[in-house]
Amino acid sequence: KNEVEQSPQNLTAQEGEFITINCSYSVGISALHWLQQHPGGGIVSLFMLSSGKKKHGRLIATINIQEKHSSLHITASHPRDSAVYICAAGGQGAQKLVFGQGTRLTINP
Amino acid sequence: DTGVSQNPRHKITKRGQNVTFRCDPISEHNRLYWYRQTLGQGPEFLTYFQNEAQLEKSRLLSDRFSAERPKGSFSTLEIQRTEQGDSAMYLCASSSWGVTDEQYFGPGTRLTVT
Repeated sequence: KNEVEQSPQNLTAQEGEFITINCSYSVGISALHWLQQHPGGGIVSLFMLSSGKKKHGRLIATINIQEKHSSLHITASHPRDSAVYICAAGGQGAQKLVFGQGTRLTINP
Repeated sequence: DTGVSQNPRHKITKRGQNVTFRCDPISEHNRLYWYRQTLGQGPEFLTYFQNEAQLEKSRLLSDRFSAERPKGSFSTLEIQRTEQGDSAMYLCASSSWGVTDEQYFGPGTRLTVT
């Protein structure tokens, strides 16, 4: 079993739909990261959170430390949101990241 | 400073050749990480530096791999005697440890070993 598991692996939705991507982790963390990767490989950090909830525009990230679970939500999804979304657990001290396998999101117009 | 840069962006090499990649982190960042990502998978940790010291190496980093960060600024990752299994995207990230710990990623170097 991977230390960081994401679901679903693939998600296709229509423009405007509310999107939820889930992440469960089994390692102890100091922070949980949500990343976005577009075709071509570049990775952009969306959120880093250790408790509660963060919001940036149409993106919302939540984390439940006790349940070792995090979710990324996208409201009013748009085709430009199509990308691979990766959650990654940052451990204590070194902060090296342990990544999930990614969720490929496709938003159709 | 516009972010983390990596060179080259793409490298095609024949099996058995040596390759070297370079990463230039954000200038004030003291930590630098190397990750490898194979097709359809999430990235995997290879190694990281704090300033010029290499503090941890993954077991994925075989003897054919070596990384340096000689002056605590840019870093190089060398792969000797490349194998087809080395084909992957090699990602570099940097952070300002102790300040925000958020990692900023470079665009990656895509290696293809033929």
